[in-house]
Amino acid sequence: GAGVSQSPSNKVTEKGKDVELRCDPISGHTALYWYRQSLGQGLEFLIYFQGNSAPDKSGLPSDRFSAERTGGSVSTLTIQRTQQEDSAVYLCASSPLQGTQYFGPGTRLTVL
Amino acid sequence: AQKVTQAQTEISVVEKEDVTLDCVYETRDTTYYLFWYKQPPSGELVFLIRRNSFDEQNEISGRYSWNFQKSTSSFNFTITASQVVDSAVYFCALRPGTYKYIFGTGTRLKVLA
Repeated sequence: GAGVSQSPSNKVTEKGKDVELRCDPISGHTALYWYRQSLGQGLEFLIYFQGNSAPDKSGLPSDRFSAERTGGSVSTLTIQRTQQEDSAVYLCASSPLQGTQYFGPGTRLTVL
Repeated sequence: AQKVTQAQTEISVVEKEDVTLDCVYETRDTTYYLFWYKQPPSGELVFLIRRNSFDEQNEISGRYSWNFQKSTSSFNFTITASQVVDSAVYFCALRPGTYKYIFGTGTRLKVLA
């Protein structure tokens, strides 16, 4: 079946612009996660959704970052006024309730 | 504290050698899950295995095997007869509760032909 998909696969933007990253989870997966992975680094947790609710936003690095999920499916991560330090790969994962996470291919964000 | 330590930053082996990737975890929870993921150069993390805290039985899947020891809080991963296609970054992760995953910093494995 279809896995987790993310779009765009690559995004180059100028400092100060807003960007939106999209995640389509595996159908039926109620949990959705966003992570950030800087070059050569591990995974940094950003936010967790259960359905459309985000009970854990503790990893969002600043108020420039926000995320939403609609219809218990698609999620959008928005970064406002991008900074060069936001450059990273943004990974989305989904899972059944208390199940195993499956990851998407990621969006590579480059802020010039 | 909840933590996963992968002390080996990078390992290089020659093809057909066996290699073990170490993972040590910390949690006070009695119920938890442990995972291994593979991140090949293409970048997408691939799920390899999940283990719950009540099941210490070792597991073998082809050339891959996992050794879970609660006494030492370790969940080590061994690749037998390594191949070039095994070259990747491998992440160990802990899920102590119902949803949050704690990842180690990863071990980069290079298998040389």
